[in-house]
Amino acid sequence: AQSVTQLGSHVSVSEGALVLLRCNYSSSVPPYLFWYVQYPNQGLQLLLKYTTGATLVKGINGFEAEFKKSETSFHLTKPSAHMSDAAEYFCAVRDFSGGGADGLTFGKGTHLIIQP
Amino acid sequence: NAGVTQTPKFQVLKTGQSMTLQCAQDMNHNSMYWYRQDPGMGLRLIYYSASEGTTDKGEVPNGYNVSRLNKREFSLRLESAAPSQTSVYFCASSEAPRGNQPQHFGDGTRLSIL
Repeated sequence: AQSVTQLGSHVSVSEGALVLLRCNYSSSVPPYLFWYVQYPNQGLQLLLKYTTGATLVKGINGFEAEFKKSETSFHLTKPSAHMSDAAEYFCAVRDFSGGGADGLTFGKGTHLIIQP
Repeated sequence: NAGVTQTPKFQVLKTGQSMTLQCAQDMNHNSMYWYRQDPGMGLRLIYYSASEGTTDKGEVPNGYNVSRLNKREFSLRLESAAPSQTSVYFCASSEAPRGNQPQHFGDGTRLSIL
C-alpha cells in the first residue's frame, strides 16, 4: 500500500522567507502527485499536481513543486512567504497502476505558520 | 458554480443514533469519494464510487454505508453512531477513476458523537 510522509507537522517561517514543505512517497512506480491547501474550517483546495512531463510544476499563489524520482520526493516551495499562506498543507498521491482502492492517499499534513 | 456541496455542515449526535450525510456535485464527474479527517491523521478514504451504480470500500469502511443515488449524489450513512466516528467528513469528486485529474472537495461536515 502507498504511504506518504510529510516531514514536520508544523513549520514556522518569517514573512518574506523561503517556504519548504517536504513530501516523500513510498511507491516504486511513480504515482500521480498532488499538493492541497486547507484554510481553517474549509475544504481542500488544489495547489498543484504532477502527472507526467516536466518535473517542476507551478501552482497557484506562487507555489511550485519538483518531482524527483530518484528521491521519491515532491517537495513544495515558495520563494517568499506571505501572511495569507498560513494554512494546513497536504501532500497526496494517487496510484493509477491498478489494484487496491481508488482515491487519494494523504500525508498527515503540515501546518505552516508565518511569523510577522 | 457550486462544485461539491455537503449537507449538513455541522451535526451533533448521541451514541447509537443514525444519520446520513449528503453530497452532491454539479461538475458531471463520474467518480465520488468519502474521506474522514482526524487531527494528525490526514484524510483517510472511507468509501468510493468509481461510477454510477458502483461502490467500493476504502481504508476505513467499518461502521459506514454508502449509496450512489445517481451520477450527482453520493451519501454516507452511519447506522449506529459511535464516539470514534467523531470527525470531519469530506466528500470529493473527480472526472474518472484512477485518472490524472485532481479531486474536488466539499467544505466538510463536522460531526460530533456524544
